[in-house]
Amino acid sequence: NAGVTQTPKFQVLKTGQSMTLQCAQDMNHNSMYWYRQDPGMGLRLIYYSASEGTTDKGEVPNGYNVSRLNKREFSLRLESAAPSQTSVYFCASSPTGQGQYEAFFGQGTRLTVV
Amino acid sequence: KNQVEQSPQSLIILEGKNCTLQCNYTVSPFSNLRWYKQDTGRGPVSLTIMTFSENTKSNGRYTATLDADTKQSSLHITASQLSDSASYICVVSAAKGGQNFVFGPGTRLSVLP
Repeated sequence: NAGVTQTPKFQVLKTGQSMTLQCAQDMNHNSMYWYRQDPGMGLRLIYYSASEGTTDKGEVPNGYNVSRLNKREFSLRLESAAPSQTSVYFCASSPTGQGQYEAFFGQGTRLTVV
Repeated sequence: KNQVEQSPQSLIILEGKNCTLQCNYTVSPFSNLRWYKQDTGRGPVSLTIMTFSENTKSNGRYTATLDADTKQSSLHITASQLSDSASYICVVSAAKGGQNFVFGPGTRLSVLP
């Protein structure tokens, strides 16, 4: 029962480098999300995908792009990393995008941009 | 603006003691409120969920209360254990379509032996 799996767990990037964070879920959920978590702040939504084939911006989308590859996978790409993107990134999934369904989270990716 | 505030920011208690964490929200229209537990280095895990009509929900030693009139919730932990050391996050959902989870900043609880 893997749930939501994120890779990698840790990453250090130099300013300007690019990378893709991978996320996969095995619960047949329709909706998937990418959040970032910074000290002293609540999780903030970067992008979400309500269903396969759709993606929408969240609260803090600048500097990121996403791809909903199929129903299982939702990737987050940083095209040109900046120190302000140093954060812990969480992927989550839920049966639908409606708030009454629980969201299940991955273990997170700790990203440092130097 | 939809917001969720939590207090205290951090809390230290001795093993076996009880504690209460607070959550105030301004999310409207309200759908439900969840408490999540987040262990260090892990993703959040749901503890309880309450809808508008519920004012108490328990999950083992965790009891959540909700006052929808004052827009306040609390999470009471009874007979704390070392494994309760974690961040506790209050999350409120708005009653509308699309992505609508509003996360609080969390309360960091440390349980000492």
